[in-house]
Amino acid sequence: GAGVSQSPSNKVTEKGKDVELRCDPISGHTALYWYRQSLGQGLEFLIYFQGNSAPDKSGLPSDRFSAERTGGSVSTLTIQRTQQEDSAVYLCASSHGQAGANVLTFGAGSRLTVL
Amino acid sequence: GDSVTQMEGPVTLSEEAFLTINCTYTATGYPSLFWYVQYPGEGLQLLLKATKADDKGSNKGFEATYRKETTSFHLEKGSVQVSDSAVYFCALAGAQKLVFGQGTRLTINP
Repeated sequence: GAGVSQSPSNKVTEKGKDVELRCDPISGHTALYWYRQSLGQGLEFLIYFQGNSAPDKSGLPSDRFSAERTGGSVSTLTIQRTQQEDSAVYLCASSHGQAGANVLTFGAGSRLTVL
Repeated sequence: GDSVTQMEGPVTLSEEAFLTINCTYTATGYPSLFWYVQYPGEGLQLLLKATKADDKGSNKGFEATYRKETTSFHLEKGSVQVSDSAVYFCALAGAQKLVFGQGTRLTINP
């Protein structure tokens, strides 16, 4: 597509429920990144995909967080048993190759609110 | 590990004022450096970048110079406009990913 598409744009859930956030990267972009933007915390790296594999998932905060990417395209970030501290904007970005050498294109984000 | 520190915000200025947003970094070697901007309701977008020491990145009247002596990449603009109101993020290219600062919210009043 023309840009990075994320859905849902807004999600309100109750504590303890599972949520899935979806990212549709730019067609042909092999690298895909998930970041979390919390108030006053800046952008926190979560996970990086190259194709369907995740060479770096060091930023996932706990085992309640997981992500997958299929067909070298769409990625899903799943948060199980959500907690209030999971409330944040989850940003997805893609690029032709690794960040740094290639410009990251970001989606508009999925805002998660856990009540 | 790699890290980026930005000046605390929020920053509020009047139109046509001079802008500086400070950014310093800690890294091994000399990574590429970036400024990204997030306008209200939009995704982050690249504003400018510099790939080696003494390089100057520029775009839309904004400039930043890669200073390895002071490990800094301060963002400047000579005359800001209301449309520059946004959140600005400084970043460096770490191992396989970008490392971002905490962001600085800029508001320009007419």
